[in-house]
Amino acid sequence: EAGVTQFPSHSVIEKGQTVTLRCDPISGHDNLYWYRRVMGKEIKFLLHFVKESKQDESGMPNNRFLAERTGGTYSTLKVQPAELEDSGVYFCASSPRITPGELFFGEGSRLTVL
Amino acid sequence: GENVEQHPSTLSVQEGDSAVIKCTYSDSASNYFPWYKQELGKRPQLIIDIRSNVGEKKDQRIAVTLNKTAKHFSLHITETQPEDSAVYFCAAPRGAGANNLFFGTGTRLTVIP
Repeated sequence: EAGVTQFPSHSVIEKGQTVTLRCDPISGHDNLYWYRRVMGKEIKFLLHFVKESKQDESGMPNNRFLAERTGGTYSTLKVQPAELEDSGVYFCASSPRITPGELFFGEGSRLTVL
Repeated sequence: GENVEQHPSTLSVQEGDSAVIKCTYSDSASNYFPWYKQELGKRPQLIIDIRSNVGEKKDQRIAVTLNKTAKHFSLHITETQPEDSAVYFCAAPRGAGANNLFFGTGTRLTVIP
């Protein structure tokens, strides 16, 4: 069974540019989460989809971040325009249940904003 | 809301020794406490979890203990091996029954051969 896959693995952009990150969850997992880790800090929650609906987007830093999950399958996270503080590793995770249990993580997309 | 603190941030041990990582949480309603391991360049993976109806859980060389009164839980690794070297994260739910997690800041464990 394929795990959670993320693309790209690494992106380097200049301040003011746009980047779109993609996540393909494990097939059949209705729950999809985006997290971000800034170097040395915690893995911080951004938002949670149940199928195509946003269940909780309270962790999204500001309106420069837009997440979508069309059709309840893969998800994209767009940052527009990117700022220096957006640099970090963006993780996607999926799970089959909404109740507490294992999250299956992707390997992350490292974003560097210069 | 929940707040999770994790200590230490780095830990070095000799191969064969034990390692202990501690976390505290703030929300007394939290009832699920997982630990994730992230090896260099790889994805975080669940290694063990505990629910609030038990005080300790073991899986071979790793164990987790939970003290609900004091609101802290710990990861114990015995007979450490070089492959245990990684960053370990504790976590707690953002709300009762939720699978959104608050993570600690991570502990970089280095096992010296």
